[in-house]
Amino acid sequence: DTAVSQTPKYLVTQMGNDKSIKCEQNLGHDTMYWYKQDSKKFLKIMFSYNNKELIINETVPNRFSPKSPDKAHLNLHINSLELGDSAVYFCASSQVVRADNEQFFGPGTRLTVL
Amino acid sequence: GENVEQHPSTLSVQEGDSAVIKCTYSDSASNYFPWYKQELGKRPQLIIDIRSNVGEKKDQRIAVTLNKTAKHFSLHITETQPEDSAVYFCAASRYNQGGKLIFGQGTELSVKP
Repeated sequence: DTAVSQTPKYLVTQMGNDKSIKCEQNLGHDTMYWYKQDSKKFLKIMFSYNNKELIINETVPNRFSPKSPDKAHLNLHINSLELGDSAVYFCASSQVVRADNEQFFGPGTRLTVL
Repeated sequence: GENVEQHPSTLSVQEGDSAVIKCTYSDSASNYFPWYKQELGKRPQLIIDIRSNVGEKKDQRIAVTLNKTAKHFSLHITETQPEDSAVYFCAASRYNQGGKLIFGQGTELSVKP
């Protein structure tokens, strides 16, 4: 019954590799997000999608490419991984694309780039 | 650019005491201010929020106050309990900005039994 789920939970990889993180929500929400939480716990939005359409792209390097095959799924593909990409990545969803709609977060994916 | 400053970065209180966390935002058009709680190793979860047309909101032991003139809002937790220990994040946003939340840097609250 997990509302927002992510896979994998942990990801350890070498610099230069390409990796993907998957997110799924079963809440019937229209809007999904990707956040990055760095080692100092700072949470920053990366992308938001509404009904498969990109709404926010927050000055994220183009090595990061989100893809939304349908409104229940939002994946994040990262090319040519760098040390600075190490972080916890959270997916979230909200009913509609308004900031005053509660955002439900997934459990996070801890990415470690060696 | 848009910015939210949050203080203190760490806060330690005795069980039963009150805790106050303060945030200041830069975008005067912000009109929605949520607070999220993140327990160690867990996901952030919304605990309370306030809209710009309201000055104060309370939910049991937690309350939030907003001063639009000063662009300042605060979280108040009374009768703290060890299970209140977590990192608390404030955020500011505009309703129609794609769901974008600008988060503060977080406050690590420790409640000692």
